[in-house]
Amino acid sequence: GENVEQHPSTLSVQEGDSAVIKCTYSDSASNYFPWYKQELGKRPQLIIDIRSNVGEKKDQRIAVTLNKTAKHFSLHITETQPEDSAVYFCAASWGGGADGLTFGKGTHLIIQP
Amino acid sequence: DAGVIQSPRHEVTEMGQEVTLRCKPISGHDYLFWYRQTMMRGLELLIYFNNNVPIDDSGMPEDRFSAKMPNASFSTLKIQPSEPRDSAVYFCASSLSASNEQFFGPGTRLTVL
Repeated sequence: GENVEQHPSTLSVQEGDSAVIKCTYSDSASNYFPWYKQELGKRPQLIIDIRSNVGEKKDQRIAVTLNKTAKHFSLHITETQPEDSAVYFCAASWGGGADGLTFGKGTHLIIQP
Repeated sequence: DAGVIQSPRHEVTEMGQEVTLRCKPISGHDYLFWYRQTMMRGLELLIYFNNNVPIDDSGMPEDRFSAKMPNASFSTLKIQPSEPRDSAVYFCASSLSASNEQFFGPGTRLTVL
């Protein structure tokens, strides 16, 4: 089955700086890669996703890149703000998302004022 | 739409008791997923349904776990008998096959004493 590795487990950055979270996956058949944000005690919420036919996708301060050859994808957050503090999860799926997601272990992002 | 609805939000029970968790997916969504979240194992897929039919239950940890979806608007996850290691947050999620985002419910925090 699919295996998703996520690094780092904790990331502390100064407010206004950029944050980068990296994930690798094992199954070359995976074709859908969402990122979820989870605040303490809340549900995971999708913030951005990318499919295997696209190399990069951007939405305001958030961007995701995908390298299919190397089987890794990354989340980039620019101009970080206090409300970006949360746990971020990457995930992979081979069914285009209409099947179960395999999640990474999560990155606790801390924005220092 | 009210989003994915789960009940109860919190459940405390004693070892050996039967536990039933409930989920109402977003109306019109034809995929329903059950996930479990723990500190040690992160977010894990337990089982998912398409059009009320179980598609993949390989993530169900033991025979003590069972899930049903009698109709398009209701699913249950049952644990019988429950054990302390079943303590976790259980999330239900649903998606529309044409889009792919999985929308998570608020979760049920289960504590087995």
